[in-house]
Amino acid sequence: DQQVKQNSPSLSVQEGRISILNCDYTNSMFDYFLWYKKYPAEGPTFLISISSIKDKNEDGRFTVFLNKSAKHLSLHIVPSQPGDSAVYFCAAAANFGNEKLTFGTGTRLTIIP
Amino acid sequence: DAGITQSPRHKVTETGTPVTLRCHQTENHRYMYWYRQDPGHGLRLIHYSYGVKDTDKGEVSDGYSVSRSKTEDFLLTLESATSSQTSVYFCAALGLAGSTDTQYFGPGTRLTVL
Repeated sequence: DQQVKQNSPSLSVQEGRISILNCDYTNSMFDYFLWYKKYPAEGPTFLISISSIKDKNEDGRFTVFLNKSAKHLSLHIVPSQPGDSAVYFCAAAANFGNEKLTFGTGTRLTIIP
Repeated sequence: DAGITQSPRHKVTETGTPVTLRCHQTENHRYMYWYRQDPGHGLRLIHYSYGVKDTDKGEVSDGYSVSRSKTEDFLLTLESATSSQTSVYFCAALGLAGSTDTQYFGPGTRLTVL
Protein backbone atom coordinates (compact mmCIF):
# COMPACT_ATOMS: atom_id res chain seq x y z
CA ASP A 1 0.00 0.00 0.00
CA GLN A 2 1.82 3.05 -1.31
CA GLN A 3 0.85 5.94 0.95
CA VAL A 4 2.93 8.46 -0.98
CA LYS A 5 2.73 8.28 -4.76
CA GLN A 6 4.69 9.91 -7.52
CA ASN A 7 2.87 8.81 -10.62
CA SER A 8 5.37 10.16 -13.14
CA PRO A 9 8.54 8.06 -13.17
CA SER A 10 10.25 10.55 -15.47
CA LEU A 11 9.94 14.09 -16.77
CA SER A 12 11.91 16.03 -19.39
CA VAL A 13 11.93 19.83 -19.43
CA GLN A 14 13.73 22.38 -21.56
CA GLU A 15 16.36 24.47 -19.80
CA GLY A 16 14.92 27.77 -18.59
CA ARG A 17 11.33 26.48 -18.46
CA ILE A 18 9.35 25.47 -15.40
CA SER A 19 9.59 21.94 -14.02
CA ILE A 20 6.58 20.68 -12.07
CA LEU A 21 6.86 17.48 -10.07
CA ASN A 22 3.77 16.02 -8.47
CA CYS A 23 3.10 13.91 -5.40
CA ASP A 24 -0.11 12.47 -3.96
CA TYR A 25 -0.68 10.97 -0.54
CA THR A 26 -3.44 8.89 0.99
CA ASN A 27 -2.79 9.06 4.74
CA SER A 28 -4.71 11.97 6.26
CA MET A 29 -2.39 11.87 9.30
CA PHE A 30 0.49 13.25 7.22
CA ASP A 31 1.08 16.89 8.11
CA TYR A 32 4.66 17.58 7.07
CA PHE A 33 6.05 17.09 3.60
CA LEU A 34 9.55 17.20 2.16
CA TRP A 35 11.29 16.97 -1.17
CA TYR A 36 14.67 15.32 -1.58
CA LYS A 37 16.94 15.40 -4.60
CA LYS A 38 19.26 12.55 -5.51
CA TYR A 39 22.15 12.42 -7.93
CA PRO A 40 23.53 9.07 -9.15
CA ALA A 41 25.89 7.35 -6.70
CA GLU A 42 25.06 9.85 -3.95
CA GLY A 43 22.63 9.88 -1.05
CA PRO A 44 19.43 11.95 -1.21
CA THR A 45 19.77 15.56 -0.09
CA PHE A 46 17.04 17.63 1.52
CA LEU A 47 15.63 20.30 -0.78
CA ILE A 48 12.56 21.97 0.70
CA SER A 49 9.69 21.21 3.07
CA ILE A 50 6.22 22.42 3.95
CA SER A 51 3.97 22.09 6.96
CA SER A 52 0.25 21.49 6.60
CA ILE A 53 -0.46 24.86 8.20
CA LYS A 54 0.86 26.46 4.99
CA ASP A 55 -0.09 26.03 1.36
CA LYS A 56 3.12 27.37 -0.17
CA ASN A 57 6.80 27.55 0.68
CA GLU A 58 9.52 29.14 -1.43
CA ASP A 59 13.27 28.83 -1.42
CA GLY A 60 14.96 30.52 -4.33
CA ARG A 61 14.04 28.73 -7.55
CA PHE A 62 12.11 26.05 -5.66
CA THR A 63 8.50 26.36 -4.52
CA VAL A 64 6.38 23.66 -2.95
CA PHE A 65 2.59 23.89 -3.05
CA LEU A 66 0.30 21.88 -0.79
CA ASN A 67 -3.39 21.19 -1.49
CA LYS A 68 -4.64 19.43 1.63
CA SER A 69 -8.17 18.82 0.38
CA ALA A 70 -6.80 17.02 -2.68
CA LYS A 71 -3.96 15.38 -0.71
CA HIS A 72 -1.59 16.66 -3.35
CA LEU A 73 1.67 18.54 -3.37
CA SER A 74 3.88 19.79 -6.14
CA LEU A 75 7.40 21.08 -6.52
CA HIS A 76 8.00 23.88 -9.00
CA ILE A 77 11.49 24.68 -10.24
CA VAL A 78 11.83 27.98 -12.10
CA PRO A 79 13.91 28.42 -14.17
CA SER A 80 15.10 24.85 -14.69
CA GLN A 81 18.85 24.38 -15.01
CA PRO A 82 20.93 21.41 -16.21
CA GLY A 83 22.16 20.82 -12.65
CA ASP A 84 18.56 20.14 -11.65
CA SER A 85 18.66 16.83 -13.53
CA ALA A 86 18.25 14.26 -10.76
CA VAL A 87 15.72 11.95 -9.13
CA TYR A 88 13.31 13.78 -6.84
CA PHE A 89 11.63 12.03 -3.94
CA CYS A 90 8.59 13.30 -2.13
CA ALA A 91 8.31 12.32 1.56
CA ALA A 92 5.69 12.72 4.26
CA ALA A 93 5.57 12.61 8.05
CA ALA A 94 2.82 12.55 10.64
CA ASN A 95 2.26 14.51 13.85
CA PHE A 96 4.70 17.23 12.75
CA GLY A 97 7.53 14.87 13.60
CA ASN A 98 10.25 14.14 11.11
CA GLU A 99 11.41 11.04 12.96
CA LYS A 100 9.69 8.71 10.50
CA LEU A 101 9.32 9.56 6.84
CA THR A 102 7.36 7.75 4.15
CA PHE A 103 8.86 8.22 0.71
CA GLY A 104 7.39 8.16 -2.76
CA THR A 105 8.88 6.18 -5.60
CA GLY A 106 10.69 9.13 -7.16
CA THR A 107 10.58 11.10 -10.42
CA ARG A 108 13.62 11.33 -12.67
CA LEU A 109 13.89 14.89 -13.99
CA THR A 110 15.98 15.54 -17.07
CA ILE A 111 16.71 19.13 -18.10
CA ILE A 112 17.38 19.43 -21.80
CA PRO A 113 19.96 22.12 -22.68
CA ASP B 1 25.50 16.34 5.54
CA ALA B 2 25.51 15.44 9.26
CA GLY B 3 28.92 13.80 8.83
CA ILE B 4 27.54 10.42 7.76
CA THR B 5 29.79 7.78 6.25
CA GLN B 6 28.94 4.25 5.18
CA SER B 7 31.16 1.22 4.74
CA PRO B 8 31.68 -0.63 2.58
CA ARG B 9 30.52 1.41 -0.40
CA HIS B 10 30.24 -1.67 -2.58
CA LYS B 11 29.94 -5.33 -1.71
CA VAL B 12 29.31 -8.51 -3.63
CA THR B 13 28.44 -11.59 -1.64
CA GLU B 14 26.89 -15.00 -2.07
CA THR B 15 23.48 -16.23 -1.03
CA GLY B 16 23.46 -17.52 2.52
CA THR B 17 26.43 -15.54 3.80
CA PRO B 18 26.14 -12.99 6.61
CA VAL B 19 26.73 -9.34 5.76
CA THR B 20 27.15 -6.31 8.01
CA LEU B 21 26.93 -2.75 6.79
CA ARG B 22 28.21 0.09 8.93
CA CYS B 23 26.98 3.63 9.31
CA HIS B 24 29.03 6.19 11.21
CA GLN B 25 28.06 9.74 12.15
CA THR B 26 30.10 12.44 13.81
CA GLU B 27 27.38 14.89 14.91
CA ASN B 28 25.97 13.06 17.96
CA HIS B 29 22.52 12.69 16.38
CA ARG B 30 20.04 10.68 18.38
CA TYR B 31 17.98 9.20 15.52
CA MET B 32 19.54 7.02 12.83
CA TYR B 33 17.94 5.04 10.02
CA TRP B 34 18.56 2.32 7.46
CA TYR B 35 16.72 2.44 4.12
CA ARG B 36 16.89 0.43 0.95
CA GLN B 37 16.31 1.89 -2.49
CA ASP B 38 14.89 -0.26 -5.26
CA PRO B 39 13.46 0.65 -8.68
CA GLY B 40 9.73 1.21 -8.47
CA HIS B 41 9.77 1.33 -4.68
CA GLY B 42 11.65 4.47 -3.80
CA LEU B 43 13.19 4.52 -0.34
CA ARG B 44 11.82 2.06 2.19
CA LEU B 45 12.64 2.09 5.89
CA ILE B 46 14.25 -1.09 7.22
CA HIS B 47 15.01 -0.23 10.85
CA TYR B 48 15.68 2.88 12.84
CA SER B 49 17.22 3.80 16.17
CA TYR B 50 16.18 6.49 18.63
CA GLY B 51 19.15 6.07 20.95
CA VAL B 52 21.88 3.69 22.07
CA LYS B 53 20.42 0.19 22.25
CA ASP B 54 16.96 1.57 21.25
CA THR B 55 15.80 0.35 17.86
CA ASP B 56 12.53 -0.34 16.08
CA LYS B 57 11.35 -1.96 12.88
CA GLY B 58 10.45 -0.21 9.67
CA GLU B 59 8.25 -1.41 6.84
CA VAL B 60 10.70 -3.95 5.34
CA SER B 61 12.53 -5.35 8.38
CA ASP B 62 12.25 -9.09 7.64
CA GLY B 63 15.68 -10.63 7.13
CA TYR B 64 17.51 -7.70 8.72
CA SER B 65 18.74 -6.88 12.20
CA VAL B 66 20.41 -3.78 13.60
CA SER B 67 22.52 -2.80 16.53
CA ARG B 68 23.55 0.48 18.08
CA SER B 69 26.04 0.14 20.88
CA LYS B 70 27.44 3.67 20.47
CA THR B 71 25.75 6.91 19.43
CA GLU B 72 27.96 7.26 16.38
CA ASP B 73 27.57 3.76 14.90
CA PHE B 74 24.51 2.01 13.53
CA LEU B 75 25.04 -1.47 12.06
CA LEU B 76 22.75 -3.31 9.66
CA THR B 77 23.15 -7.10 9.48
CA LEU B 78 21.79 -9.52 6.94
CA GLU B 79 22.07 -12.82 8.81
CA SER B 80 21.79 -14.93 5.65
CA ALA B 81 21.78 -12.84 2.50
CA THR B 82 19.28 -13.58 -0.27
CA SER B 83 19.14 -12.33 -3.85
CA SER B 84 16.08 -10.23 -2.95
CA GLN B 85 18.33 -8.19 -0.67
CA THR B 86 20.36 -6.96 -3.62
CA SER B 87 19.81 -3.23 -3.34
CA VAL B 88 21.33 0.13 -2.52
CA TYR B 89 21.32 0.76 1.22
CA PHE B 90 21.27 4.24 2.69
CA CYS B 91 21.88 5.29 6.23
CA ALA B 92 20.41 8.54 7.53
CA ALA B 93 20.47 10.61 10.69
CA LEU B 94 18.06 13.25 11.95
CA GLY B 95 19.78 16.61 12.15
CA LEU B 96 18.97 20.29 12.23
CA ALA B 97 18.32 22.09 8.94
CA GLY B 98 17.64 25.74 9.69
CA SER B 99 14.92 25.72 12.31
CA THR B 100 13.64 22.19 11.77
CA ASP B 101 15.04 18.69 11.94
CA THR B 102 15.40 16.72 8.76
CA GLN B 103 17.00 13.45 7.74
CA TYR B 104 20.48 13.60 6.23
CA PHE B 105 21.68 10.66 4.18
CA GLY B 106 24.97 8.91 3.74
CA PRO B 107 26.42 8.11 0.30
CA GLY B 108 24.96 4.59 0.14
CA THR B 109 26.22 1.01 -0.07
CA ARG B 110 25.54 -1.01 -3.20
CA LEU B 111 25.06 -4.64 -2.20
CA THR B 112 24.87 -7.47 -4.72
CA VAL B 113 23.87 -10.94 -3.55
CA LEU B 114 24.69 -13.65 -6.10
